[in-house]
Amino acid sequence: AQSVAQPEDQVNVAEGNPLTVKCTYSVSGNPYLFWYVQYPNRGLQFLLKYITGDNLVKGSYGFEAEFNKSQTSFHLKKPSALVSDSALYFCAVRVPSYSSASKIIFGSGTRLSIRP
Amino acid sequence: NAGVTQTPKFRVLKTGQSMTLLCAQDMNHEYMYWYRQDPGMGLRLIHYSVGEGTTAKGEVPDGYNVSRLKKQNFLLGLESAAPSQTSVYFCASSETSGGQETQYFGPGTRLLVL
Repeated sequence: AQSVAQPEDQVNVAEGNPLTVKCTYSVSGNPYLFWYVQYPNRGLQFLLKYITGDNLVKGSYGFEAEFNKSQTSFHLKKPSALVSDSALYFCAVRVPSYSSASKIIFGSGTRLSIRP
Repeated sequence: NAGVTQTPKFRVLKTGQSMTLLCAQDMNHEYMYWYRQDPGMGLRLIHYSVGEGTTAKGEVPDGYNVSRLKKQNFLLGLESAAPSQTSVYFCASSETSGGQETQYFGPGTRLLVL
């Protein structure tokens, strides 16, 4: 069965330090991988996605993620954290199919807290 | 261009009452989705639609019904609300569902069932 895991409920980082939010997945085919961010009382916003090609994907707000097929991971990273990066982050996975709709599976979310 | 909008933003229901959540999108997207978000569980798909007049069950469809009479609208109904349906409900839409597309989310509806 398809699944995605975010092993950390919360990540705390000092402003200016690099940050990593972890994500691992389990799918039967080649995955499409996504990161979304949710700010308080808002819907999810798309950050970046991996479909194919270069394993390092760059997205919005200076975030990037690295697809590692051997480790089945898609960790979200940023070289220098900002207080405004504090939010809830969701990793998601989808396996493309020829059915009428392929569904996306979300992780449980990781709360990122950046202290000044 | 408002994107995806949801009404109402917040609602309190008593057990057994019914209500309808409305989702509207102005991006001419074919696919629309209803999710519920519960603490520590991420988002779970309730129902989805691949086009006007079509609906399909997601991961947790029990207790909910949906309709897609117009391409731009996707309604989620609770016929007899239960406390277990207390949650935050998000609607989303996407252009297609080949797997690569980005989903666009509404701001959410917070539902409390007493």
